[in-house]
Amino acid sequence: GENVEQHPSTLSVQEGDSAVIKCTYSDSASNYFPWYKQELGKRPQLIIDIRSNVGEKKDQRIAVTLNKTAKHFSLHITETQPEDSAVYFCAAHFFYGGATNKLIFGTGTLLAVQP
Amino acid sequence: DVKVTQSSRYLVKRTGEKVFLECVQDMDHENMFWYRQDPGLGLRLIYFSYDVKMKEKGDIPEGYSVSREKKERFSLILESASTNQTSMYLCASRSRTVVAEAFFGQGTRLTVV
Repeated sequence: GENVEQHPSTLSVQEGDSAVIKCTYSDSASNYFPWYKQELGKRPQLIIDIRSNVGEKKDQRIAVTLNKTAKHFSLHITETQPEDSAVYFCAAHFFYGGATNKLIFGTGTLLAVQP
Repeated sequence: DVKVTQSSRYLVKRTGEKVFLECVQDMDHENMFWYRQDPGLGLRLIYFSYDVKMKEKGDIPEGYSVSREKKERFSLILESASTNQTSMYLCASRSRTVVAEAFFGQGTRLTVV
């Protein structure tokens, strides 16, 4: 079945360092890969996404890379700040044809940025 | 601003009770989802719906059912609540477009005692 694996489950970095979170997906037909950030006590919110026809996408300090052959994608955060501390979820879009499609999420990474 | 609203922020129910969790979205989205969030397990899909009266099982549908009588409303039903259903429940909606963002409700923290 459809599956998204995410590593690591926890990540602690010093302020200013970089953080990398990696995900793999099972279905080679998946074509859309968003990343969500969930701050403590809040709802998940989209921070960046990438389509399967793109290898890399960047938005200020955040970048996402995609390797379709290997079926993995990664989130890169540079110059981390305390406000980056949150749980990050990767997701993959699975399409069944017609109107049926769904997002499957990874298990999440708790990122702690130490001041 | 897209708004996804869940009917309750916190709920405490007794074992065996029938529990209804309601979710309403105001952006005319076709797709709606119910996820369960547990520490270390991420967001697990319970059920989803891609149109009115249409539903599909997710990864963990056992013990749950859903109802989508109107496009804007998606209900999650626990037929007979059990303690292992104590969790955070998140509703989400998104349009049919592949690259559409999923918008989440604020979550319902359900405790079954």
